[in-house]
Amino acid sequence: AQKVTQAQTEISVVEKEDVTLDCVYETRDTTYYLFWYKQPPSGELVFLIRRNSFDEQNEISGRYSWNFQKSTSSFNFTITASQVVDSAVYFCALTSNSGGSNYKLTFGKGTLLTVNP
Amino acid sequence: NAGVTQTPKFRILKIGQSMTLQCTQDMNHNYMYWYRQDPGMGLKLIYYSVGAGITDKGEVPNGYNVSRSTTEDFPLRLELAAPSQTSVYFCASSYMAGMSTGELFFGEGSRLTVL
Repeated sequence: AQKVTQAQTEISVVEKEDVTLDCVYETRDTTYYLFWYKQPPSGELVFLIRRNSFDEQNEISGRYSWNFQKSTSSFNFTITASQVVDSAVYFCALTSNSGGSNYKLTFGKGTLLTVNP
Repeated sequence: NAGVTQTPKFRILKIGQSMTLQCTQDMNHNYMYWYRQDPGMGLKLIYYSVGAGITDKGEVPNGYNVSRSTTEDFPLRLELAAPSQTSVYFCASSYMAGMSTGELFFGEGSRLTVL
């Protein structure tokens, strides 16, 4: 079975602070994919990043960066110099093809990030 | 670029009524999904489909039915609505090929209230 744990239910920061959202996953597969999605107050789900299990390179995209560590089964997301527009619920998700799971995406419960001006 | 389109966006049902949430995608994606989102609980998979004519249950299928007669459409039917089905429903699609998986594209969501 797959599992994604986002231990931080809510985080509140002041604008320009850096913030890291934690994601810990469980899977028995050697091939799997990890995702982050953003859900702003408007409600839609926006894809941020996909990472496969064979690529442990960290990635940076503007103010966003991701740290993938297989040794600790973690895929953490850092926002540098946070802005009010970053306020949203952020979901980490995992998919693989084990046991007939057929690439169903398993989501964590999400972290609500509030960036205050 | 329409992407994934869900209708209706809002609906109020009485207990015991039935309805269908419509979902259509124009990206020729083979995989389609229905999720429900309850406050603080993330997204739970209801049903999914890997292609036309093929559907399978997710985590929380009870009280729902789906069909996939075409690549584009994946309607979700609620039979005998119950208050426990009050939720926000998301349809999603993705393209899968062999060991490669693409990201899910989501519709805007349908907020359903059962009273």
